[in-house]
Amino acid sequence: EDQVTQSPEALRLQEGESSSLNCSYTVSGLRGLFWYRQDPGKGPEFLFTLYSAGEEKEKERLKATLTKKESFLHITAPKPEDSATYLCAVFTSYSGAGSYQLTFGKGTKLSVIP
Amino acid sequence: GAVVSQHPSRVICKSGTSVKIECRSLDFQATTMFWYRQFPKQSLMLMATSNEGSKATYEQGVEKDKFLINHASLTLSTLTVTSAHPEDSSFYICSASPSGVRETQYFGPGTRLLVL
Repeated sequence: EDQVTQSPEALRLQEGESSSLNCSYTVSGLRGLFWYRQDPGKGPEFLFTLYSAGEEKEKERLKATLTKKESFLHITAPKPEDSATYLCAVFTSYSGAGSYQLTFGKGTKLSVIP
Repeated sequence: GAVVSQHPSRVICKSGTSVKIECRSLDFQATTMFWYRQFPKQSLMLMATSNEGSKATYEQGVEKDKFLINHASLTLSTLTVTSAHPEDSSFYICSASPSGVRETQYFGPGTRLLVL
């Protein structure tokens, strides 16, 4: 069974204090990994897709990296508006008529204090 | 770009009634749409996958007769919760995958359902 574990569950940072969020996975045949941001009461907002070990992607203060066992979401000099829950999800296989399945982690709730 | 809307955003209904939730891709065509539910402090759980013009594929443990899904066009999917009960109260989120870009899913804002 595919498993996705995110750590820590919650993280409090001072504004400007850089840190990393972890997403480790145990899956058979990883095809890709997604990072999303979710604000309370809202749907997830797409951030990145990573397909292969060694791949990196950046967007503003966020940088996502991927290894064969885990992914990191690095946040540099965070601001209060970066406060949200960050979700990672893996997709492993296609089925039927081209559909596929995502398995989500429980997320890391990030709070950035001014 | 890649905006997905849901309607309604919140709904309160009496036990035994049916509730329909709409999911629309506003600026792209979506061959595939997905329906998830999310309980407080829990991860998103996939309920079903729907491809335009064909029957939805339901995940194990999800009752297809209770959660009716229709994907009649490339921009609209609906989820109907039939004979809703309090245990169906949850946050329902849809996502859509642009035609030709199968992996990326864009999510709607979610619908909060409360069954009294």
